Amino acid sequence: GAVVSQHPSRVICKSGTSVKIECRSLDFQATTMFWYRQFPKQSLMLMATSNEGSKATYEQGVEKDKFLINHASLTLSTLTVTSAHPEDSSFYICSANRDSYGYTFGSGTRLTVV
Amino acid sequence: DAKTTQPTSMDCAEGRAANLPCNHSTISGNEYVYWYRQIHSQGPQYIIHGLKNNETNEMASLIITEDRKSSTLILPHATLRDTAVYYCIVRSRAFGNEKLTFGTGTRLTIIP
Repeated sequence: GAVVSQHPSRVICKSGTSVKIECRSLDFQATTMFWYRQFPKQSLMLMATSNEGSKATYEQGVEKDKFLINHASLTLSTLTVTSAHPEDSSFYICSANRDSYGYTFGSGTRLTVV
Repeated sequence: DAKTTQPTSMDCAEGRAANLPCNHSTISGNEYVYWYRQIHSQGPQYIIHGLKNNETNEMASLIITEDRKSSTLILPHATLRDTAVYYCIVRSRAFGNEKLTFGTGTRLTIIP
């Protein structure tokens, strides 16, 4: 199979602090991973494409200095929400592609900023 | 990637077949049709994909019209656990690292 593990599943943080979310491909190597954000009752919105060993590609309107992405190995990408504010509260989901299995998604991280 | 149009919501009785339509009238010849679903507060789950032939797997069947401008996902015997948002997506390659763009999807509710 193709399994993507995402951690933590939920996190509550204080306004102004930073939060790191991890996305791991457990049984395959992923040179590219994708980060999505989903607000309540809305669809998934792609934030950025994470590339192993190089800079991430951000979608229009996504602040790269606020949402730091690191893809240091073929099995791990991290998303750090810096100086989080209540409006950053959302459901964050990562995804990776494995040939013959297609795109696999993590179980998501529910971020609440208080 | 081509745009897709799906009904906002649908209901289906438990045990009956759920037929979810998707229009993709601007689909190109090399674009595949993918279906995913998202159960509340979980990541999307792959269901099935196809290019032009009808496809079937253990979860569902995918019927693509001959002109490929629309398709239907069929859940043959819907259960309560099939309640979810179903997304129809078209993209240019079956595999590779192009991004997936999600539309609004269809919220399917299975009625006991």
